[in-house]
Amino acid sequence: DSGVTQTPKHLITATGQRVTLRCSPRSGDLSVYWYQQSLDQGLQFLIQYYNGEERAKGNILERFSAQQFPDLHSELNLSSLELGDSALYFCASSVGGLAGRVQETQYFGPGTRLLVL
Amino acid sequence: EDKVVQSPLSLVVHEGDTVTLNCSYEVTNFRSLLWYKQEKKAPTFLFMLTSSGIEKKSGRLSSILDKKELSSILNITATQTGDSAIYLCAVGGPKDAGNMLTFGGGTRLMVKP
Repeated sequence: DSGVTQTPKHLITATGQRVTLRCSPRSGDLSVYWYQQSLDQGLQFLIQYYNGEERAKGNILERFSAQQFPDLHSELNLSSLELGDSALYFCASSVGGLAGRVQETQYFGPGTRLLVL
Repeated sequence: EDKVVQSPLSLVVHEGDTVTLNCSYEVTNFRSLLWYKQEKKAPTFLFMLTSSGIEKKSGRLSSILDKKELSSILNITATQTGDSAIYLCAVGGPKDAGNMLTFGGGTRLMVKP
């Protein structure tokens, strides 16, 4: 158990809908990361937050957005869902030294499996 | 764009065998290379290798970073069925790109009794 929690574990929804995935980092970690894992793309970095602010952005679609709240939990919002958005969504966290600029070990949560029908 | 390639794609061995997994990378500003093990769901951290720590060992697992060849290997000796998993290699992005990781496609290891 990494100490990172994610809810829900599974989510089934229809195309065009909007969902919110939630992540609580390990106690004391300031940086949160979101990754998408699909069969054909592998694990892809989406976005990083450090202490409430966006720190780095990967190939995140415009339909997707995220935020980190004052209590450091984070939410990933996926809207106008398409079949191709079906994937495992992982949240990871790290200590966040030097304002999130230091390469640190990232600890992954159990993931949310999203199925878009 | 950073690139990480792992080989082989999959591997089937018997308990007690020794395996070597490969990872090669192309990055604009190398900072570190990480190995993860993914069983059913969440990747779990194994090692982080940097310029100042090019060799790591933990029990039957060990890893070496070759900065000249831009590659790393993960060795598992005396394999057990519990070692069956996908092994992921990742490299850290440049400083101005935060702390993102670029992952390879993984090596699927199956250890048969």
